[in-house]
Amino acid sequence: ETGVTQTPRHLVMGMTNKKSLKCEQHLGHNAMYWYKQSAKKPLELMFVYSLEERVENNSVPSRFSPECPNSSHLFLHLHTLQPEDSALYLCASSQDWGSGVSTDTQYFGPGTRLTVL
Amino acid sequence: AQSVTQPDIHITVSEGASLELRCNYSYGATPYLFWYVQSPGQGLQLLLKYFSGDTLVQGIKGFEAEFKRSQSSFNLRKPSVHWSDAAEYFCAVGPSLSGGYNKLIFGAGTRLAVHP
Repeated sequence: ETGVTQTPRHLVMGMTNKKSLKCEQHLGHNAMYWYKQSAKKPLELMFVYSLEERVENNSVPSRFSPECPNSSHLFLHLHTLQPEDSALYLCASSQDWGSGVSTDTQYFGPGTRLTVL
Repeated sequence: AQSVTQPDIHITVSEGASLELRCNYSYGATPYLFWYVQSPGQGLQLLLKYFSGDTLVQGIKGFEAEFKRSQSSFNLRKPSVHWSDAAEYFCAVGPSLSGGYNKLIFGAGTRLAVHP
C-alpha cells in the first residue's frame, strides 16, 4: 500500500450507532488531518495531529472524537451523529505541521462517504 | 480575513480546447498557493503549488498556474483539455494567519465537464 488509505470507503449509520473511520499513511509523515467535505461547501478542517499530539481542533462537536495512536494511523470515532453530518470525510498527511520554513504538501486519502440516517 | 474565491462553480469545455480556472484570494501576507484536483469518488491530488520564485508554475498532467500578486489571483491553465480532466478543482491558500503553518484555506471548487 502506498500513500494515504482510508477505510471504510462507504458507511451508512443510524443516529444512535457508534462507528469509527480509519486512516493510514505510508509516507513516513509526522502530521495527519481530518477534513469534512459537504456538498457545495469548501473543505472544512476538523482536526490536526502532529507527532501524535492534537494541535488543532476546529470547534468540532464532541460527537466526533479523533484518536492518533501513532504517526501512521488516525481514527475518527463517531457517535450519536446527525443527518447533517453526512459528508465525505477526508484524511490527509504531511511531513510536518509547522516547520517554520515552508508549508508542506498535504497528501489526501480517497475519503469515506458517510451517510447518517 | 483570509479567503479563497473560485468564481466559477461549473465550467464546460470541449475536448482539445484550452482551459482557465480562476482563483482569487484574500491574504495578509505572501501566500502559499495550491491547486488540487478531485476525481469522482477520490481524494484530492496535488496538481501544483507556489511558494516563491518564478510566478509561472508547472504542474502534473500538463497544467500550469500563474501567480499575479497585483490581482491576488492564481489561475490554473491547460492548453488542451482531455476527457480525463473532467473533475473538481480546488484552489487553496496557506499558511493560515490564525496559527499553524500548514492550515490551508480551500475554495469551494470548480466542477469541470469535458464534451467530446
